[in-house]
Amino acid sequence: DAGITQSPRHKVTETGTPVTLRCHQTENHRYMYWYRQDPGHGLRLIHYSYGVKDTDKGEVSDGYSVSRSKTEDFLLTLESATSSQTSVYFCAISLQGPTDTQYFGPGTRLTVL
Amino acid sequence: GENVEQHPSTLSVQEGDSAVIKCTYSDSASNYFPWYKQELGKGPQLIIDIRSNVGEKKDQRIAVTLNKTAKHFSLHITETQPEDSAVYFCAASRGGGGADGLTFGKGTHLIIQP
Repeated sequence: DAGITQSPRHKVTETGTPVTLRCHQTENHRYMYWYRQDPGHGLRLIHYSYGVKDTDKGEVSDGYSVSRSKTEDFLLTLESATSSQTSVYFCAISLQGPTDTQYFGPGTRLTVL
Repeated sequence: GENVEQHPSTLSVQEGDSAVIKCTYSDSASNYFPWYKQELGKGPQLIIDIRSNVGEKKDQRIAVTLNKTAKHFSLHITETQPEDSAVYFCAASRGGGGADGLTFGKGTHLIIQP
């Protein structure tokens, strides 16, 4: 998985609780991405980062926030989890941007009850 | 924004036969088209990609073709083997500074029948 780890790998939480997912890379890649994967929808971009403290919204950003204080870490926060946020979340990295090869992490399976 | 359509959603072929998966995209500015393979419980892995200045690219049993005029691209797998069974995703991106990431198709479940 190209030096990408995600934590936790599995999480079950209740509606209304805050949740933070972590993506850690050892490749020193500038770009990092968060996607969610749902049956029938493929993968959809939530947020991305093009450098430390530089982030922007993707296609399905509502209800999510991100932070990147170090090159190697990209955090995804659900401020108040809802059942519609039950999904598998993947982090990806690339060296030179969205038209460069993106390497994906192993994923985090999140269940919101 | 970009929209990527992928067909078929499920494809079953006999071992040794060829498999073809097709995708269309809507944004004529898209210029990068990767294909990913995803095995159960794992993250997607890049298997091949093509850029808009190239019409075809091949890597052993895998090839990708791109028709910019028609805005479609296809994945071809020849001499299929059991380990080719997986879900395959096409994607498109137009890049650019600060531009968003990949837009994915909904995936094709490829089943290789022994």
